[in-house]
Amino acid sequence: QSALTQPPSVSGSPGQSVTISCTGTSSDVGSYNRVSWYQQPPGTAPKLMIYEVSNRPSGVPDRFSGSKSGNTASLTISGLQAEDEADYYCSLYTSSSTYVFGGGTKLTVL
Amino acid sequence: QLQLQESGPGLVKPSETLSLTCTVSGGSISSSSYYWGWIRQPPGKGLEWIGSIYYSGSTYYNPSLKSRVTISVDTSKNQFSLKLSSVTAADTAVYYCARQLRPNCSGGSCYGAYFDYWGQGTLVTVSS
Repeated sequence: QSALTQPPSVSGSPGQSVTISCTGTSSDVGSYNRVSWYQQPPGTAPKLMIYEVSNRPSGVPDRFSGSKSGNTASLTISGLQAEDEADYYCSLYTSSSTYVFGGGTKLTVL
Repeated sequence: QLQLQESGPGLVKPSETLSLTCTVSGGSISSSSYYWGWIRQPPGKGLEWIGSIYYSGSTYYNPSLKSRVTISVDTSKNQFSLKLSSVTAADTAVYYCARQLRPNCSGGSCYGAYFDYWGQGTLVTVSS
């Protein structure tokens, strides 16, 4: 199965911007639009934040944005707020019709 | 509003079979637009996709779990279920059920390949 690499942790102060990376290979992340992002505050279920690399579901603030460069997809949160503190996971739909998740990134709002 | 609710034993003995059910309300599990999936999360660790099922019974499984996993669907009850056999302590986790759109793929790009609704999760502990 494909492997997705995320940094274990990132941090930022309120009002700042942070970016969380999700690195795959040229055969998966680099080639296709199949990346999604999930937010998981402590003790809660994951919530879809971004799908198909850069699309935002209705109800997700436009402070959250997704992009891709080469083999790395990124989630950027601008105007950081205390409520954004959570774990964030990227996910890839593979060519074998399976899903793989990144290891997760813990966002701390200082 | 679509809701998913996991149910099943919270404690399973080693070597036995873990069985969970996800009940869908506020929408039909027989919709041709969706797959239904199971994802788990060991305590303090990341997410792991287990497998997904279509209302017709078509399934996709995580290769690392495939030999022990069976996912089934009961459209009359608007439910789908997970069975994981020969469990060990490593299978202790919060188990989530979720809805995913039916992927529509063309030329390598896929639309709908994500989980848009999740259940609250249920903790299953494997211990004697």
